[in-house]
Amino acid sequence: KAGVTQTPRYLIKTRGQQVTLSCSPISGHRSVSWYQQTPGQGLQFLFEYFSETQRNKGNFPGRFSGRQFSNSRSEMNVSTLELGDSALYLCASSPQPRSGTNTGELFFGEGSRLTVL
Amino acid sequence: KNEVEQSPQNLTAQEGEFITINCSYSVGISALHWLQQHPGGGIVSLFMLSSGKKKHGRLIATINIQEKHSSLHITASHPRDSAVYICAVDSGGGADGLTFGKGTHLIIQP
Repeated sequence: KAGVTQTPRYLIKTRGQQVTLSCSPISGHRSVSWYQQTPGQGLQFLFEYFSETQRNKGNFPGRFSGRQFSNSRSEMNVSTLELGDSALYLCASSPQPRSGTNTGELFFGEGSRLTVL
Repeated sequence: KNEVEQSPQNLTAQEGEFITINCSYSVGISALHWLQQHPGGGIVSLFMLSSGKKKHGRLIATINIQEKHSSLHITASHPRDSAVYICAVDSGGGADGLTFGKGTHLIIQP
């Protein structure tokens, strides 16, 4: 079974540009979540999607957005890039969404490393 | 908002030693995850716990819900265990998503 696939793996942008990152979950997984990892803040939760619906969003500005398609693939977009957006962006898939006591194991992709100049 | 504290931040040990990494959190949770991250960035989920103890090979994870504390143990450590180990807590479907500890950077010397 193929793992979680994130594209692109590396990219360089300049301030003010926008970027779109893609995540293809494990086949059959309908829940996708996104995380930002920086040296200063560590890992932080961005969004969670299940069945094309955003279930939760972390404490990030509106420049960060995402969506999920009917085939469970997900994209996240960052507009008007800032230097501080340089980070490793990770997505994870799970068979079911987080709810109450039913928290599924997470399967992570290799990440997309974004550098903003 | 859950506060997650990991200790130690850095740990260097000799091959074969017994390793313990600790994680404490401030608010009740539905589950706790232990993650492993190697240089290059990819993260592997080691355990997901909601109570008690789990064991996979040389790795053991325990959680004490009353004390809001979890430990990850590595027996007979090996240089390939060198990685960053991250604790993450899930408050149970809430808007906070997962809350992560800062990680423990483990180096096992041969």
